Amino acid sequence: QKEVEQNSGPLSVPEGAIASLNCTYSDRVSQSFFWYRQYSGKSPELIMSIYSNGDKEDGRFTAQLNKASQYVSLLIRDSQPSDSATYLCAVVSNDYKLSFGAGTTVTVRA
Amino acid sequence: EPEVTQTPSHQVTQMGQEVILRCVPISNHLYFYWYRQILGQKVEFLVSFYNNEISEKSEIFDDQFSVERPDGSNFTLKIRSTKLEDSAMYFCASSPGGYTGNTIYFGEGSWLTVV
Repeated sequence: QKEVEQNSGPLSVPEGAIASLNCTYSDRVSQSFFWYRQYSGKSPELIMSIYSNGDKEDGRFTAQLNKASQYVSLLIRDSQPSDSATYLCAVVSNDYKLSFGAGTTVTVRA
Repeated sequence: EPEVTQTPSHQVTQMGQEVILRCVPISNHLYFYWYRQILGQKVEFLVSFYNNEISEKSEIFDDQFSVERPDGSNFTLKIRSTKLEDSAMYFCASSPGGYTGNTIYFGEGSWLTVV
């Protein structure tokens, strides 16, 4: 069973702070990693994709990948109330299925 | 910006009835998917579809489920005899050329309530 694990939260951060989200995956041959944001009752919205070890930055978001540790993270800098949502880690293995974690709920306090 | 569209947005059906959920993937995309999310649970893969046939399916996608691309634009999910546990949000998604190195775009979802 290929697992994607995330802390469920909720993660509460003050406005302007950094939110740090973590994800581990069990399938060592996984090649593609994604972070999606999901507002309540809405569909997943892609925030970041990362395929190689290291950091990838896009605006206020930074994804970090460490394949040796089977770990991927997402940092949200200068958190805004509009960032309050559930963040889903998703992983693709060599069978091309996208497996989601259960999500981490983030609340940004104004 | 191109988007995946789904209809209906919400459907209530009686147990045992057939349901068809419809999707229009992004026009130049080649891979199509159905996922579902039971309230409060994780997003689960159901099936992927490429070149007019199923390429992958999960253990959830049993004989009561089927998918079809009846024409050049629509992609449908049929549930033959709905059960209470089929109540969920069903997401259609598409990607240009498979998962690796490609972005998967999700539709807004279809809420299915089985009573």
